[in-house]
Amino acid sequence: GAVVSQHPSWVICKSGTSVKIECRSLDFQATTMFWYRQFPKQSLMLMATSNEGSKATYEQGVEKDKFLINHASLTLSTLTVTSAHPEDSSFYICSAPDVANYGYTFGSGTRLTVV
Amino acid sequence: DAKTTQPPSMDCAEGRAANLPCNHSTISGNEYVYWYRQIHSQGPQYIIHGLKNNETNEMASLIITEDRKSSTLILPHATLRDTAVYYCIVRTGGPGTASKLTFGTGTRLQVTL
Repeated sequence: GAVVSQHPSWVICKSGTSVKIECRSLDFQATTMFWYRQFPKQSLMLMATSNEGSKATYEQGVEKDKFLINHASLTLSTLTVTSAHPEDSSFYICSAPDVANYGYTFGSGTRLTVV
Repeated sequence: DAKTTQPPSMDCAEGRAANLPCNHSTISGNEYVYWYRQIHSQGPQYIIHGLKNNETNEMASLIITEDRKSSTLILPHATLRDTAVYYCIVRTGGPGTASKLTFGTGTRLQVTL
């Protein structure tokens, strides 16, 4: 089945630095990528939707200047958390629609810890 | 997309069937029911989906009531590896469409020996 490879699986960074998370679709073209954030013991919250070659669409309350999304190719979407703070510590997950099959394929997630 | 209601948690003995209910009383005619699960600290995994007919695949069965206002996911022989949070999601558009998935709170299934 379709696979989305997400890296890194975990990262620890210092406050004020930026972190980039990559999601690659390995055997299909992902024209759309959804980015979620999940805090401990909570559900997944959609942050933004990226479309290849165009600007991302952000959900209400998500700062687009803080969470930079780039979807430059049909197989790669990136999320950069800029000037990270401890409250940005969370589990970040990407997902792409697998239109050739039935569902959505999710990355394995990135656990970000900001110290 | 219609809202869903699921019990927050359930227990099931290993080897027994796990029946996870979902209420989606405001579902409209073009909305599909999807089930995903999330094992701790992993990305969600697709299980099954349906529109109005019951569905079965190698992982589970999906029973949708005739009025489509509720559904039940059945894991026929639960194992310890089925311990996860199960999400019932209703969304517009079936296979081949790319509308977003909105996750509710899900049901935390604990399979025990």
